Amino acid sequence: GAGVSQSPSNKVTEKGKDVELRCDPISGHTALYWYRQSLGQGLEFLIYFQGNSAPDKSGLPSDRFSAERTGGSVSTLTIQRTQQEDSAVYLCASSLIGRYEQYFGPGTRLTVT
Amino acid sequence: GENVEQHPSTLSVQEGDSAVIKCTYSDSASNYFPWYKQELGKRPQLIIDIRSNVGEKKDQRIAVTLNKTAKHFSLHITETQPEDSAVYFCAAINAGNMLTFGGGTRLMVKP
Repeated sequence: GAGVSQSPSNKVTEKGKDVELRCDPISGHTALYWYRQSLGQGLEFLIYFQGNSAPDKSGLPSDRFSAERTGGSVSTLTIQRTQQEDSAVYLCASSLIGRYEQYFGPGTRLTVT
Repeated sequence: GENVEQHPSTLSVQEGDSAVIKCTYSDSASNYFPWYKQELGKRPQLIIDIRSNVGEKKDQRIAVTLNKTAKHFSLHITETQPEDSAVYFCAAINAGNMLTFGGGTRLMVKP
């Protein structure tokens, strides 16, 4: 079946602009996760959704970052007033309820100029 | 919160040799430990995982061992091949289902 998909694959934006990143989880996966991977670095947890609610927002780096999920499926990560340090690959993952295994999407490479 | 340390950061082996990557974690409540392989420009791929009630798990040329008392776990790759070259990440999961990742190990297998 189809895996996790993300769009756009690449996004170049000017400092100060807002961006929206989209994640489509695997069909039937109720849990959805956002991570950030800076160049040559590990993965940093941002936020986690169970259904449409986000019980853990502890990883969001600042109040410029927000995320929502509607219909228990697609999720959008929004970064307002982007800064150069926001440049990274943003990865989304999903999992089945009650299961630990997380499956990743291909990521969105964000470059803030 | 959880803290995961991973060593070494780079590892170079000759084709056919074994490779071992080690991770330690801090939260004794963590109960699930996956390993991901990430090739350049690709998404992380889950290659093997282990739960806290098991000490060892094997899948063909890869194996993972877990020592809960010492809070460390390791990935073992035997008979390495050039296509094993990638960055490998360990992780630990806590009750909140949040994965905390190690810093990654760049494995290079020389033909």
